[in-house]
Amino acid sequence: AQSVAQPEDQVNVAEGNPLTVKCTYSVSGNPYLFWYVQYPNRGLQFLLKYITGDNLVKGSYGFEAEFNKSQTSFHLKKPSALVSDSALYFCAVRDSGDYKLSFGAGTTVTVRA
Amino acid sequence: DTAVSQTPKYLVTQMGNDKSIKCEQNLGHDTMYWYKQDSKKFLKIMFSYNNKELIINETVPNRFSPKSPDKAHLNLHINSLELGDSAVYFCASSRRDRNNSPLHFGNGTRLTVT
Repeated sequence: AQSVAQPEDQVNVAEGNPLTVKCTYSVSGNPYLFWYVQYPNRGLQFLLKYITGDNLVKGSYGFEAEFNKSQTSFHLKKPSALVSDSALYFCAVRDSGDYKLSFGAGTTVTVRA
Repeated sequence: DTAVSQTPKYLVTQMGNDKSIKCEQNLGHDTMYWYKQDSKKFLKIMFSYNNKELIINETVPNRFSPKSPDKAHLNLHINSLELGDSAVYFCASSRRDRNNSPLHFGNGTRLTVT
């Protein structure tokens, strides 16, 4: 069984400050982890994925994610947030050998000018 | 060029009607999916097809029936629509390979049942 949790419904930061969106996961095998972003009235856009062996993964639009096996976490980070980063962010996990990609409940990020 | 396209974008219909949503991808992927996003933005997988074979069939009412005529198309037919079916339905596609390719999503179909 696989599951993913995003403990924060909302994250608010000022423009230029660091942004972190938290994600923890549970799988029985090896995890395949992803981050997606959704803007209003649009589909989900792929940001980045975990690559085995890389604890820090770099993705689109200056985002990166830190994988921590002992804490079963895959937190999304951006060193300096922009107002345009305001959106809904989803963490997703797939267990090795499983077809299904399960999504967290999403975290709404608001970056104020 | 739109990679994953869904039609229609909006669908407003009455309870009891039957409706279909169409999806097409031009990415050359071999796997397609239907996801449902509810009013709280929660995403749930409904179905998945790989090379026209059904590989994921979650606990979904049998009023929902997917059809994949070929690898590039996955349609969703819904019979006897109910108020609770109101949601945004997303189609997605991916490659099934060892590189764990990500899903590519369409822009969604907002279904409103009155």
